[in-house]
Amino acid sequence: NAGVTQTPKFQVLKTGQSMTLQCAQDMNHEYMSWYRQDPGMGLRLIHYSVGAGITDQGEVPNGYNVSRSTTEDFPLRLLSAAPSQTSVYFCASSYGGSVYSYEQYFGPGTRLTVT
Amino acid sequence: EDQVTQSPEALRLQEGESSSLNCSYTVSGLRGLFWYRQDPGKGPEFLFTLYSAGEEKEKERLKATLTKKESFLHITAPKPEDSATYLCAVQVQGGSEKLVFGKGTKLTVNP
Repeated sequence: NAGVTQTPKFQVLKTGQSMTLQCAQDMNHEYMSWYRQDPGMGLRLIHYSVGAGITDQGEVPNGYNVSRSTTEDFPLRLLSAAPSQTSVYFCASSYGGSVYSYEQYFGPGTRLTVT
Repeated sequence: EDQVTQSPEALRLQEGESSSLNCSYTVSGLRGLFWYRQDPGKGPEFLFTLYSAGEEKEKERLKATLTKKESFLHITAPKPEDSATYLCAVQVQGGSEKLVFGKGTKLTVNP
């Protein structure tokens, strides 16, 4: 299993540009989520999904969109990039649906810089 | 508001010098507490899940414990390869799988 994969690893955007961060998992996990990690702030939840077709907002959703058309993929879209969105983005997944299955597995991250 | 606080922010140890990292939490109802290890430039790597006060889990030189208000990650006779940032996260009762993370403890083990 490849686990959780993310592309690209690095990206530089200009203010106002849009882009999509890709996330895929091959573990048949129902639950997927996106976090951003900033120095001194810890990991903060952006959006999450409990299954195909179901998404919800996390702690810091503004400026981001998500959709979940398949179990495997959970892309994160930046609508109009701003310097405040410079961060490292992590995708995570877990089995869901069982009290003993909530361990979340993280991808390697995408480092995004907005100039 | 659900909160997770980790201390210290940074810890330097000599190889073989045992110590503990702390994770205190304030939540409406704890579903589970998770410990992760994060190496520079990489995603967090799952270590342990603890579900109830009194529970303990061990893995090599690491031992995690849980009380009603906090969790400790004990590191026994650490080695330089244990150097990393250790993250604590809690999952709150209420039907969601969302995690609330602490800011982490950066551990450096000198040879």
